[in-house]
Amino acid sequence: NAGVTQTPKFRVLKTGQSMTLLCAQDMNHEYMYWYRQDPGMGLRLIHYSVGEGTTAKGEVPDGYNVSRLKKQNFLLGLESAAPSQTSVYFCASPTSTGELFFGEGSRLTVL
Amino acid sequence: AQSVSQHNHHVILSEAASLELGCNYSYGGTVNLFWYVQYPGQHLQLLLKYFSGDPLVKGIKGFEAEFIKSKFSFNLRKPSVQWSDTAEYFCAASSASKIIFGSGTRLSIRP
Repeated sequence: NAGVTQTPKFRVLKTGQSMTLLCAQDMNHEYMYWYRQDPGMGLRLIHYSVGEGTTAKGEVPDGYNVSRLKKQNFLLGLESAAPSQTSVYFCASPTSTGELFFGEGSRLTVL
Repeated sequence: AQSVSQHNHHVILSEAASLELGCNYSYGGTVNLFWYVQYPGQHLQLLLKYFSGDPLVKGIKGFEAEFIKSKFSFNLRKPSVQWSDTAEYFCAASSASKIIFGSGTRLSIRP
């Protein structure tokens, strides 16, 4: 099914470990976003990209890095995971009319 | 700074009651506005959107929203809720390349 695919869907890390979340979209969209969702705080924008080779900081970028080497992929990296990064992470990509297509989410637990 | 505020964190209604969820935004310049819904265990889905034109926007499942520029508001309404409307509702605003979400309103419907 076309759309936005996130991997992995679940991951448990120990404090200090690193990992990368992959977001892939097959809709040829220019823009891609990474959000984190926490209870009572809604979705907060971590980083975003407006095209291949570009990235920009969102509302809560600290502790995360991103790369957009290929148009269809947007990677979110945690270099040294902290318990405060326990969250559900959503990748999203907007259509030309602004509607966001979301991935199914990646649940990350940092112990 | 750009922001979206949803002041109702949890709303509890009986079936057939009318619903209004508040959303206020703080943005400079042109802004596009959205309401998304997240059913338990699922990712966000678009309910409706406003770009320009008629400030009263109709969406799916009987929802509508009214854009009031002078109040910087985009409140969501439904005349008669159903148990199946139990979900979390998010208001979002986009300007330039950023899409920012409110903290969400959890809606519980009593059968």
